[in-house]
Amino acid sequence: KQEVTQIPAALSVPEGENLVLNCSFTDSAIYNLQWFRQDPGKGLTSLLLIQSSQREQTSGRLNASLDKSSGRSTLYIAASQPGDSATYLCAVRKETSGSRLTFGEGTQLTVNP
Amino acid sequence: ETGVTQSPTHLIKTRGQQVTLRCSSQSGHNTVSWYQQALGQGPQFIFQYYREEENGRGNFPPRFSGLQFPNYSSELNVNALELDDSALYLCASSLRAGRYYGYTFGSGTRLTVV
Repeated sequence: KQEVTQIPAALSVPEGENLVLNCSFTDSAIYNLQWFRQDPGKGLTSLLLIQSSQREQTSGRLNASLDKSSGRSTLYIAASQPGDSATYLCAVRKETSGSRLTFGEGTQLTVNP
Repeated sequence: ETGVTQSPTHLIKTRGQQVTLRCSSQSGHNTVSWYQQALGQGPQFIFQYYREEENGRGNFPPRFSGLQFPNYSSELNVNALELDDSALYLCASSLRAGRYYGYTFGSGTRLTVV
């Protein structure tokens, strides 16, 4: 069974700090990994999609890395801002589970002014 | 380019009732998936539709059913509602069913069963 774990479950940082969110998955046979942002009570906003053949993807202040062999991904947020406060979810698309995404439970990030 | 839209945004139903949730895919996307997200947890895959056929199903009972229409919009139907069905229901669409494509999610429908 594919399990996805996100550490830490919650994180509170002062504005301006650089931070790293972690995602690990038990089965390395994945097609891709996607990072999402979710504001309270809202839907998911896709941040970055990394294919299994890629090592990292960047978008603005966000950088996501993927180490498929070790079953790990990190989301790096540079110069954090209060508007970055949200829950961040990672999801993997496993080779043997067809089209479904398997999600972690998320990291709840609070950036304090 | 429009994103994924879901309706209604909120819904309150009584246990035992039936509910239909609706989703319009992002323009050009032919694949739609439904997820259930309980409070404080990650979304759980319900099923996916591709070209109007169910194309994968998660660990949900048959009272969860769906449809995809020729315009790629979709419905999620839940019969005999239970209290545990209270959750945020998310619809996601993808350009293709292929493995290299990511998903775009809607804002969800918050279902409360009382």
